[in-house]
Amino acid sequence: DTAVSQTPKYLVTQMGNDKSIKCEQNLGHDTMYWYKQDSKKFLKIMFSYNNKELIINETVPNRFSPKSPDKAHLNLHINSLELGDSAVYFCASSPGLAGEQYFGPGTRLTVT
Amino acid sequence: AQSVTQPDIHITVSEGASLELRCNYSYGATPYLFWYVQSPGQGLQLLLKYFSGDTLVQGIKGFEAEFKRSQSSFNLRKPSVHWSDAAEYFCAGGFGNEKLTFGTGTRLTIIP
Repeated sequence: DTAVSQTPKYLVTQMGNDKSIKCEQNLGHDTMYWYKQDSKKFLKIMFSYNNKELIINETVPNRFSPKSPDKAHLNLHINSLELGDSAVYFCASSPGLAGEQYFGPGTRLTVT
Repeated sequence: AQSVTQPDIHITVSEGASLELRCNYSYGATPYLFWYVQSPGQGLQLLLKYFSGDTLVQGIKGFEAEFKRSQSSFNLRKPSVHWSDAAEYFCAGGFGNEKLTFGTGTRLTIIP
């Protein structure tokens, strides 16, 4: 059973388009996250939700909008995609606000 | 500012040799600490964690890490590496309910 899953795994799109990435966890965790990993493997947190409430919102362009319809799902919608948005996006979850996080397999976004 | 530092960008070891990956932290108090591994094209997998108590922590895949308060370190070790250990390794730290801070990663190459 996949603990944290993301769809799609790969996403290739053109500049200016709008796209969404979906994340689901079946671990029963309360907290979910979105991270961006750049080409140098640097991991940067973007957002965090706890029980569907936004608790971390790092300095991210407002073209990025997360949505958590329930505790098990956290989606990421990106408007007006730019070349610099190309990266691998990881979803993660944790039992609470602190502690270990469990990561999904990642979504490789390529903007052309 | 709170930080986690991995001084080595890239390490190469021979198969069967021992391994030590360095991690230093800078927090006002003892953080909780993690090591993750990322194989090519995969998400991050939790290797081990330290919250408190015994300073020598055992993890999966034969890895261990030792928390040393005096050196502000949490180095990862393995007595004998296998070719399948080639991957990117991330140290991460957190405190209270604050977000996790990840190091910049160490890429491990195994030579036959």
